[in-house]
Amino acid sequence: RKEVEQDPGPFNVPEGATVAFNCTYSNSASQSFFWYRQDCRKEPKLLMSVYSSGNEDGRFTAQLNRASQYISLLIRDSKLSDSATYLCVVNYYGGATNKLIFGTGTLLAVQP
Amino acid sequence: SQTIHQWPATLVQPVGSPLSLECTVEGTSNPNLYWYRQAAGRGLQLLFYSVGIGQISSEVPQNLSASRPQDRQFILSSKKLLLSDSGFYLCAWTLLNGDSEAFFGQGTRLTVV
Repeated sequence: RKEVEQDPGPFNVPEGATVAFNCTYSNSASQSFFWYRQDCRKEPKLLMSVYSSGNEDGRFTAQLNRASQYISLLIRDSKLSDSATYLCVVNYYGGATNKLIFGTGTLLAVQP
Repeated sequence: SQTIHQWPATLVQPVGSPLSLECTVEGTSNPNLYWYRQAAGRGLQLLFYSVGIGQISSEVPQNLSASRPQDRQFILSSKKLLLSDSGFYLCAWTLLNGDSEAFFGQGTRLTVV
């Protein structure tokens, strides 16, 4: 079983739609969580961190459920510029360990 | 401000040739350093990470190796490349605390022919 799993998509949605991405992780010792965005042939960039209380940044909302080991990202009012791959990231750290594990990514294509 | 440099941007190498990719970080001390590989259309696979000079953790058995000769320098090497080593190699760094986001270099696109 992969440490971090995502639905690879693609998700094809019209402009203005709401889309949700899910991610599960297998290691309950995971301590911090992030969503990254990766444009084609570019390096990933941080979209937002994910906190247990949930957090929102404009049209983006991230949530974490530690009991279910599940992370989500909701994008409201999708824009063409949201088209990209969205990567779920889990960090295990402590002592000599600091592993940053990426999911396989979910491809989003927003259509005009 | 902190920056990360990774080079070269593109590399075409024959099978069996050696490889050396270098990554350096500026503007911070004692970062955690990472090497990832991304095959075409796939996710990022963690290859190596390092929490300090000379401390290298390997995630996937393969013909690659990593070294950290200086605090802010991380090198990915191979003695003999395989076709399957082709991919997009990304170096990243984070602060020591686990809540830090990762900052990536611009990546090296390696094609083994």
